Amino acid sequence: QQPVQSPQAVILREGEDAVINCSSSKALYSVHWYRQKHGEAPVFLMILLKGGEQKGHEKISASFNEKKQQSSLYLTASQLSYSGTYFCGTRTLARQLTFGSGTQLTVLP
Amino acid sequence: DGGITQSPKYLFRKEGQNVTLSCEQNLNHDAMYWYRQDPGQGLRLIYYSQIVNDFQKGDIAEGYSVSREKKESFPLTVTSAQTNPTAFYLCASSVPLGRTNTGELFFGEGSRLTVL
Repeated sequence: QQPVQSPQAVILREGEDAVINCSSSKALYSVHWYRQKHGEAPVFLMILLKGGEQKGHEKISASFNEKKQQSSLYLTASQLSYSGTYFCGTRTLARQLTFGSGTQLTVLP
Repeated sequence: DGGITQSPKYLFRKEGQNVTLSCEQNLNHDAMYWYRQDPGQGLRLIYYSQIVNDFQKGDIAEGYSVSREKKESFPLTVTSAQTNPTAFYLCASSVPLGRTNTGELFFGEGSRLTVL
């Protein structure tokens, strides 16, 4: 079952903050976050594991509430380069990664 | 440079024809995946393979077939049984999550299939 992402779209000005949420009805082992720019492949941002460990490549923070099966991605002081569609992917112990429908983020100058 | 190569980038097909999308990786990853992307629906898993000569159905496998004869290659065939094949197809690979690995998916640049 697909995780639910919110909001579906957000528009903000350079320097503003944004939060993207991802929730699942199933017990999660891990949550992945990816960003996809138009016409390009999705790029990995971060993984959050049950137990609190986080691994990522960029200066973007996220949280994972294991009890509520929810994750949030925090984009602070947004830059123009942050524009794109953000996907969360959730993994249970028994299944492969399942992606949400995406959040389209537009950063305006 | 290591990466995943998908071909063709754009493909047009007539109804009733099978078409095969190529996916090759030189990352030495064991696991490979095929996802379908439709507007507003995110990425949906078609098939995945954890090891050579083995593959499993994903959430939307009907009308698709795969093979995994070599570690580097995971081709996807879209058969005539797939009722709505027009979509963007993404291939990915990964290593297992470990002490120094994030378990992330590495994606190819995709193949856009249009059925006429």
